[in-house]
Amino acid sequence: EVQLVESGGGLVQPGGSLRLSCAASGFTFSRHWMSWVRQAPGKGLEWVANIKEDGSEKYYVDSVKGRFTISRDNAKNSLYLQMNSLRAEDTAVFYCAREVGYCSSSSCSNWFDPWGQGTLVTVSS
Amino acid sequence: EIVMTQSPATLSVSPGERVALSCRASQSLSSNLAWYQQKPGQAPRLLIYAASTRATGIPARFSGSGSGTAFTLTISSLQSEDFAVYYCQQYNNWPLWTFGQGTKVEI
Repeated sequence: EVQLVESGGGLVQPGGSLRLSCAASGFTFSRHWMSWVRQAPGKGLEWVANIKEDGSEKYYVDSVKGRFTISRDNAKNSLYLQMNSLRAEDTAVFYCAREVGYCSSSSCSNWFDPWGQGTLVTVSS
Repeated sequence: EIVMTQSPATLSVSPGERVALSCRASQSLSSNLAWYQQKPGQAPRLLIYAASTRATGIPARFSGSGSGTAFTLTISSLQSEDFAVYYCQQYNNWPLWTFGQGTKVEI
């Protein structure tokens, strides 16, 4: 069974840092792009960042550029999100998700399947 | 950035009814659109990709249609377990994936 399990969420003060982890199982982790998607309380879904199979390419939504860093360890089947300079507006459930689809030499067309159960990050003093 | 607009925001229906949820894109997506279902306290679940292809294990009462900028998710006969929020997602604008704001289907 394909499974993604996030951990590392919690309460942090504004300006603080947090590192999220996502443990993958049931599939060949090193063959997939992976993403983080977040959902603020009562709001919709927002893609945050993704990373190529070998970690050589990373992309971010503008609102987190320079503050968040996505990484992966294929030997450990794990995905990470280092979050620095956290703001109140970063409060959300963070989901990791496997990207599925197809890539050419220059771009990809990927959707998300499956998603982890999510981990809540609360930024508040 | 491609802006995705879903309508209506909320749909009040009865079990057994047929429902159609709309998703529009600010620019053409070809068929690069997915639909997800999210129930309270749960992660989203993939329903449809490539605008009209059902994901593994998704019941046949769910169908997707459209291309370009206008897409529809249809549930042919609403079951009690289908009451949820539905999101569309474009994956045409690499690498900036964006979602619609969601449509809540309620009793």
